Amino acid sequence: AQSVTQPDIHITVSEGASLELRCNYSYGATPYLFWYVQSPGQGLQLLLKYFSGDTLVQGIKGFEAEFKRSQSSFNLRKPSVHWSDAAEYFCAVGAWGSARQLTFGSGTQLTVLP
Amino acid sequence: EAQVTQNPRYLITVTGKKLTVTCSQNMNHEYMSWYRQDPGLGLRQIYYSMNVEVTDKGDVPEGYKVSRKEKRNFPLILESPSPNQTSLYFCASTRASGTEAFFGQGTRLTVV
Repeated sequence: AQSVTQPDIHITVSEGASLELRCNYSYGATPYLFWYVQSPGQGLQLLLKYFSGDTLVQGIKGFEAEFKRSQSSFNLRKPSVHWSDAAEYFCAVGAWGSARQLTFGSGTQLTVLP
Repeated sequence: EAQVTQNPRYLITVTGKKLTVTCSQNMNHEYMSWYRQDPGLGLRQIYYSMNVEVTDKGDVPEGYKVSRKEKRNFPLILESPSPNQTSLYFCASTRASGTEAFFGQGTRLTVV
C-alpha cells in the first residue's frame, strides 16, 4: 500500500524568504504525485502534479517541486514567499497511475511572518 | 463552470440521527470519491465509485454508506452518526484515466 509522509507539521517563514516543504512517499511502482493547498475555510486547490518526464515540475502561484526517485521525495519549493501563501499544504500519491484514489500526507501548516 | 458541489457546507447533528451529504459534479466524470479530513491525519478516502452502481470501500469506510444511481451524483450517508464522525468531508471527481481530482468545497460536520 502506498503512503506519504510530511515530516514538518508546522513551518514558519518570513515574507520574501524561500520555502521548502518536504514530502516522502512509498509506492511500489512509478508514483503519480501531487501537491495541494488548502487556504483557511477553503477546499483543495491543485498546485502541481508529476506523472513522468522532467523531474522538476512547475505549478501555479510560483511553486515548483522536484521528484527524486532515489530519495523517494517530492519536495515543494518557492523562491520568495508571499503572505497570501499562508495555508496548509498536502502532498499526495495516486494509485493506479491516476488521481482516482489519492493517499495524502498529514499536511504542513505554513505561517508567513510580515 | 466545471465544479463539484457539496451540500450542506456546515451541519450540526445529534448522535444517531441519519443524515445525507450530497455531492454533484458537472464534468461527466466516471470516478467519484469521498474523503474525510482530520487534524494531523490529512485526508483519508472513505468510499469511491468507478461508475454508476459500482462502489467500493476506501481506507475508512466504517459507519458510512454511499450510492451511485446517477453518474453526476454521489451522496454520502451516515445512518447513525457518532461523535467520532465529526470531521471535514470532501467529495472529489475525476475521469477514469484522470490526472487531476476535482474537489468540492467541503462539508464540516459536527455530531454532538
